[in-house]
Amino acid sequence: GAVVSQHPSRVICKSGTSVKIECRSLDFQATTMFWYRQFPKQSLMLMATSNEGSKATYEQGVEKDKFLINHASLTLSTLTVTSAHPEDSSFYICSAPDRGRGNTIYFGEGSWLTVV
Amino acid sequence: DAKTTQPTSMDCAEGRAANLPCNHSTISGNEYVYWYRQIHSQGPQYIIHGLKNNETNEMASLIITEDRKSSTLILPHATLRDTAVYYCIVRANYGGATNKLIFGTGTLLAVQP
Repeated sequence: GAVVSQHPSRVICKSGTSVKIECRSLDFQATTMFWYRQFPKQSLMLMATSNEGSKATYEQGVEKDKFLINHASLTLSTLTVTSAHPEDSSFYICSAPDRGRGNTIYFGEGSWLTVV
Repeated sequence: DAKTTQPTSMDCAEGRAANLPCNHSTISGNEYVYWYRQIHSQGPQYIIHGLKNNETNEMASLIITEDRKSSTLILPHATLRDTAVYYCIVRANYGGATNKLIFGTGTLLAVQP
């Protein structure tokens, strides 16, 4: 069964509003989680690394003020897309390494964001 | 940048073995070879990983060449549900944020009835 879960699976929001996506590790603690974005027919692009108790590390070209990441506990990381625009519409996916399973990284189900 | 190269697409007949190749000629000594697959509109699914020995689990087998510069993922009896994009990724396996997964373009495996 799933060991990493995301919520919501689908969300539609209006331009200019903010939307939050949650990522939870279900049966293990994760000091690190990773956030990806995927556009149709493209591969996954790493956006940022979420670090429990400290600031996230963003990949080059990813706006940290637009994609706010909070890793408030050892089982929860959130991605907030602020002032969303239609071009932010995408598939957002999180993942986390499980130390109990040899540091294997497991992925959530993904969250479809549509900005109208 | 991804450190692996894979064919863009492959076909396989249902019930036959699917052999997916991957080249990783610049792999470092502490890097493992990981395989994931992504079925349309879902998050990637972990399949298998290995360092230098061949590995087998309930999903697949992983064959790594002796020089570790390439590997092959084998699905022994492909079904239509195995149609997906398969990603081969090299990654160090110690804890911490540096061992992130960087995805290439993967191989689209189409299992034909």
